Amino acid sequence: EPEVTQTPSHQVTQMGQEVILRCVPISNHLYFYWYRQILGQKVEFLVSFYNNEISEKSEIFDDQFSVERPDGSNFTLKIRSTKLEDSAMYFCASSEVQGGQPQHFGDGTRLSIL
Amino acid sequence: KQEVTQIPAALSVPEGENLVLNCSFTDSAIYNLQWFRQDPGKGLTSLLLIQSSQREQTSGRLNASLDKSSGRSTLYIAASQPGDSATYLCAVGGFQKLVFGTGTRLLVSP
Repeated sequence: EPEVTQTPSHQVTQMGQEVILRCVPISNHLYFYWYRQILGQKVEFLVSFYNNEISEKSEIFDDQFSVERPDGSNFTLKIRSTKLEDSAMYFCASSEVQGGQPQHFGDGTRLSIL
Repeated sequence: KQEVTQIPAALSVPEGENLVLNCSFTDSAIYNLQWFRQDPGKGLTSLLLIQSSQREQTSGRLNASLDKSSGRSTLYIAASQPGDSATYLCAVGGFQKLVFGTGTRLLVSP
């Protein structure tokens, strides 16, 4: 069964550095998402992306964050000037369409900011 | 703003019991509802998806129901097994995003 793939599985970075989290969505999916889960808390929506544009973003997704689909297969989340509170599990998801079809999640990238 | 609540927060049962996990949401204008399983430190595994027009979905020992008008969903697990031990998350689907509950941590003891 097709899967969403995320790399790396664990990223350790010094505070203030930039990180790029990578995702390969399911190949025929057109809608892409990032979520995050701070340890012990709910999974929270960050951003949705379609047709090379952000279609919705949460209040968490401020100027520190950006997303990009640099080629036909990858979907990336960049976090600039990382802060301690950015430490979390980041999940990528994709869906074939919006509004009714399931979102398929990757295994996540655990980001640890030191 | 959609709020999703799951009760109980934790549940411990002996193997073989049937059990029910509850999810409630505040805004009934939803597209779907997904139940996920999350093992410690791991990703999210989709268990069941119920469309807003459906009342229930079944997969093996799992049955999920949806009452959109009252803002409730239940996940029924029949004949629980130790391998069912995990956190179960309910997520309500809007057009663009999922809103997750805090989860129910299930422990099934042999």
